Amino acid sequence: GAGVSQSPSNKVTEKGKDVELRCDPISGHTALYWYRQSLGQGLEFLIYFQGNSAPDKSGLPSDRFSAERTGGSVSTLTIQRTQQEDSAVYLCASSVRVGKNIQYFGAGTRLSVL
Amino acid sequence: DQQVKQNSPSLSVQEGRISILNCDYTNSMFDYFLWYKKYPAEGPTFLISISSIKDKNEDGRFTVFLNKSAKHLSLHIVPSQPGDSAVYFCAGNRGGSEKLVFGKGMKLTVNP
Repeated sequence: GAGVSQSPSNKVTEKGKDVELRCDPISGHTALYWYRQSLGQGLEFLIYFQGNSAPDKSGLPSDRFSAERTGGSVSTLTIQRTQQEDSAVYLCASSVRVGKNIQYFGAGTRLSVL
Repeated sequence: DQQVKQNSPSLSVQEGRISILNCDYTNSMFDYFLWYKKYPAEGPTFLISISSIKDKNEDGRFTVFLNKSAKHLSLHIVPSQPGDSAVYFCAGNRGGSEKLVFGKGMKLTVNP
């Protein structure tokens, strides 16, 4: 596809369970970002990958959150032992690291922790 | 610490009139600003951007103005169309930093 693809589009889980969210960036984009949007809030930066460099994890809210990017393409965001406050829309974006940082977003995964 | 602020949660305008969306920022290190538009159940879509070396950037019906001394930017949509109804996010970027810092968004409704 031409755009950023995220799956699943919706995820309902029970408190304490682990979840994995997937992002497939735009082909050729070397940078990949994860954000989350809680109800009534703006987008909150979580983590950033650029090529083979070490990721910028400065936005991850706790050690229950982790992400990896395999082969410089697909990324998985994992949340362990989910809590109700993790409920949010998780958005992935990618960009071409040439010139200004215009990021292109996927439709997001809506996570609901019961 | 909210570095990007969109103080008005919503705006309603008539079709054909001007829509003005405001954004304030506190981080003087920001050197690039972006506006995104978001429809329900979709991801944000890039709309227009401006570098801190400029005070205006125009793209069709959309113009962004930057006032660095006031740490304020605004997005003007002229003429507004019903299809412009969406949530608009302002974001700032600091040179050398990869993350975008977003405001909370503003819901624009354009009435036919």
